[in-house]
Amino acid sequence: DQQVKQNSPSLSVQEGRISILNCDYTNSMFDYFLWYKKYPAEGPTFLISISSIKDKNEDGRFTVFLNKSAKHLSLHIVPSQPGDSAVYFCAASAAGNTPLVFGKGTRLSVIA
Amino acid sequence: DAMVIQNPRYQVTQFGKPVTLSCSQTLNHNVMYWYQQKSSQAPKLLFHYYDKDFNNEADTPDNFQSRRPNTSFCFLDIRSPGLGDAAMYLCATSRDLGGTDTQYFGPGTRLTVL
Repeated sequence: DQQVKQNSPSLSVQEGRISILNCDYTNSMFDYFLWYKKYPAEGPTFLISISSIKDKNEDGRFTVFLNKSAKHLSLHIVPSQPGDSAVYFCAASAAGNTPLVFGKGTRLSVIA
Repeated sequence: DAMVIQNPRYQVTQFGKPVTLSCSQTLNHNVMYWYQQKSSQAPKLLFHYYDKDFNNEADTPDNFQSRRPNTSFCFLDIRSPGLGDAAMYLCATSRDLGGTDTQYFGPGTRLTVL
């Protein structure tokens, strides 16, 4: 029973365009959401996060949007660059010392 | 510069032969985690240590054990590996517990069971 779902296993985008990666969750207790990025042969690295008290968080080319009523978040990358090609994991946690729950990941390919 | 180091990067073992995976950290973080990730699946938390306190996830098989002899090192022991245990094993650390504390991952150990 997946609590964090990334329904698109892969996504291809042209360089310079916007990449939109989607994530849905089912647990209404989740109140903190994160995106991790993973290159081949490396571990996931933290990219950006958002608390449930916000609906948007921006960091340079990366913006995460949260729609609590729809239990949906998305990561926007604009403009996309070839170096953004990686697997992106959505993760969520509930308040307190609860572990992160990860999605299966979306493989982004940015084509030059 | 590596902050979370995992050894070996690739491990091949035989069915039923015990294997130990190693993780070390230079961050002096309180929490160390072990995740199992199978192909095209989400990383699945097996257990974590907060300092010396061990916390096992409810669905982690008894076949998986862990040791943390000091702050820097944590080991994953698989007592009798089965074919279904072939996966990438990721170690991570965080300063404190809670989802708001960033987790830092090692590069993983890919385990093959023959």
